[in-house]
Amino acid sequence: SQQGEEDPQALSIQEGENATMNCSYKTSINNLQWYRQNSGRGLVHLILIRSNEREKHSGRLRVTLDTSKKSSSLLITASRAADTASYFCAPQSGGSYIPTFGRGTSLIVHP
Amino acid sequence: DAGVIQSPRHEVTEMGQEVTLRCKPISGHNSLFWYRQTMMRGLELLIYFNNNVPIDDSGMPEDRFSAKMPNASFSTLKIQPSEPRDSAVYFCASSAGQATFNTGELFFGEGSRLTVL
Repeated sequence: SQQGEEDPQALSIQEGENATMNCSYKTSINNLQWYRQNSGRGLVHLILIRSNEREKHSGRLRVTLDTSKKSSSLLITASRAADTASYFCAPQSGGSYIPTFGRGTSLIVHP
Repeated sequence: DAGVIQSPRHEVTEMGQEVTLRCKPISGHNSLFWYRQTMMRGLELLIYFNNNVPIDDSGMPEDRFSAKMPNASFSTLKIQPSEPRDSAVYFCASSAGQATFNTGELFFGEGSRLTVL
């Protein structure tokens, strides 16, 4: 398994703005997942994108995947104060899905 | 379903004491993971089980840490003796399917916050 690296480490925006966070990884993947962690809580799965997909949507979330650059991005449109959380990516590679996580991106949305 | 249930939610203990953290995975899930989260090191995978069998414990920091899964509905993570550097939030997560073939999501518990004085 490999660990994704999220960027930026911290992001502060105003409510209504879009938030973009990125994930980079080192070796080819089968799929990549994004998770959210609210303060003091466990991680919650947001979305999975497979290696043969380039873009995926779920509500206000848009995930893109560029396998040539070994990177993924998570876009949250029209952010809300409730989106304040840490966001983690978990790339899966090889024949083993062992989710390992980086330090995440800490997003603060100011009301 | 009640989700992944962890206990205790908070534990404060003194250095040298034994600590036991407990986890009840979601019924029907056959992969279980233990993670540790600290500000310094982020979220680290400690060990995972598949069908109650430990598959990879290479993330366990040292011999003071041990984990068991006596049946499909219960797992423990034990630290003996505990040290201040063990202070962290410990998460349990479960998933359906085999970890080696599973592309599904992980379901996390709310964590056990351990403070070792």
